[in-house]
Amino acid sequence: ETGVTQSPTHLIKTRGQQVTLRCSSQSGHNTVSWYQQALGQGPQFIFQYYREEENGRGNFPPRFSGLQFPNYSSELNVNALELDDSALYLCASSLASPRADTQYFGPGTRLTVL
Amino acid sequence: GEDVEQSLFLSVREGDSSVINCTYTDSSSTYLYWYKQEPGAGLQLLTYIFSNMDMKQDQRLTVLLNKKDKHLSLRIADTQTGDSAIYFCAESGYNNNDMRFGAGTRLTVKP
Repeated sequence: ETGVTQSPTHLIKTRGQQVTLRCSSQSGHNTVSWYQQALGQGPQFIFQYYREEENGRGNFPPRFSGLQFPNYSSELNVNALELDDSALYLCASSLASPRADTQYFGPGTRLTVL
Repeated sequence: GEDVEQSLFLSVREGDSSVINCTYTDSSSTYLYWYKQEPGAGLQLLTYIFSNMDMKQDQRLTVLLNKKDKHLSLRIADTQTGDSAIYFCAESGYNNNDMRFGAGTRLTVKP
């Protein structure tokens, strides 16, 4: 158990719809990162939030956006869903520190776009 | 872009040693990690190494880093059936705000 939870576990949407995925970070962790893991691939970094501000972004279009709240929760929003957005979405929380062992992953949300 | 590559499959017998290899291209990598992912679960950090180290040992796990060749390996001693999973190699810079992962190596341990 990492103390990081994600909801929902599974989600099915249709192309063009919008989706919001949620993550509850481990208490005290002020940094959250989101990753997309397509089937059979490694996770791809989407973006990171630190103290409610975006702090780094991977190669993802603007229709991927996020929010981080003071209560250690965060959201990943995806607009205008495409079939290729089908993937496992992982969040990871950490302290604002380069120490690698403080980054903890949640179990993920499996998104299917039809 | 910067790449992290690893072989896709490895099969070993219970009790043998497993060696999973990884290569990366970013010479500015500061941290190199090994994660384990079991079916339906998130990623579990197994171990990590700073780029200025060449070896790290943690119980059954040994990480070797050849910075010149940008080659990282994970050795699991006395491999058990519970070690069957997908193992990801990853690297990041000093700020640790953009980790890059390999595609994962599926380790199968046969009794």
